[in-house]
Amino acid sequence: AQSVTQLGSHLSVSEGALVLLRCNYSSSVPPYLFWYVQYPNQGLQLLLKYTTGATLVKGINGFEAEFKKSETSFHLTKPSAHMSDAAEYFCAVSPRDSSASKIIFGSGTRLSIRP
Amino acid sequence: ETGVTQSPTHLIKTRGQQVTLRCSSQSGHNTVSWYQQALGQGPQFIFQYYREEENGRGNFPPRFSGLQFPNYSSELNVNALELDDSALYLCASSLVGGLSNEQFFGPGTRLTVL
Repeated sequence: AQSVTQLGSHLSVSEGALVLLRCNYSSSVPPYLFWYVQYPNQGLQLLLKYTTGATLVKGINGFEAEFKKSETSFHLTKPSAHMSDAAEYFCAVSPRDSSASKIIFGSGTRLSIRP
Repeated sequence: ETGVTQSPTHLIKTRGQQVTLRCSSQSGHNTVSWYQQALGQGPQFIFQYYREEENGRGNFPPRFSGLQFPNYSSELNVNALELDDSALYLCASSLVGGLSNEQFFGPGTRLTVL
């Protein structure tokens, strides 16, 4: 069964600092990979996705992630944090070989930004 | 283009009652998935509907059921509510045959069971 592990349930960084959110997946076949963001009392918004091709994926709000097959990882980064980045971030996978396109989410990392 | 909408926004029920949550898909999408997000956790897949039939189910009991209508809107029904059913329920729509299984999420319905 596929699974997603996000290291660290909370991360606090200073405004302007590098943001690094870690994600590892478990799957015999590389799945589709996603990062979603959830602001308080809201639904999920897609930040970026990896389907095929270039392993460095750029998303919205200055975020990017790199797919590393050998490490089964899909870490999310942003060079310089803004106060508006404070939110919950979810790494997720979806199997390529299933008729049901369900998404399996990690447990999330809450990002706080210090002024 | 209209996004995914859900109703109601909030709902309070008591244990043992039944509840129906509603979702309208994004225009052009033919598949609806439902997720349960308990406080402090990631969303968990409940089930998916395609062509008005269940097309995959997560680890949820039969008292969680759903419907999809010809216009691709959907309902989630939960019978015999339990306290642990308190959660944010998210609906997501997608297009079968899409390139990435990408799903577009609604704002959710916050269910509180007392």
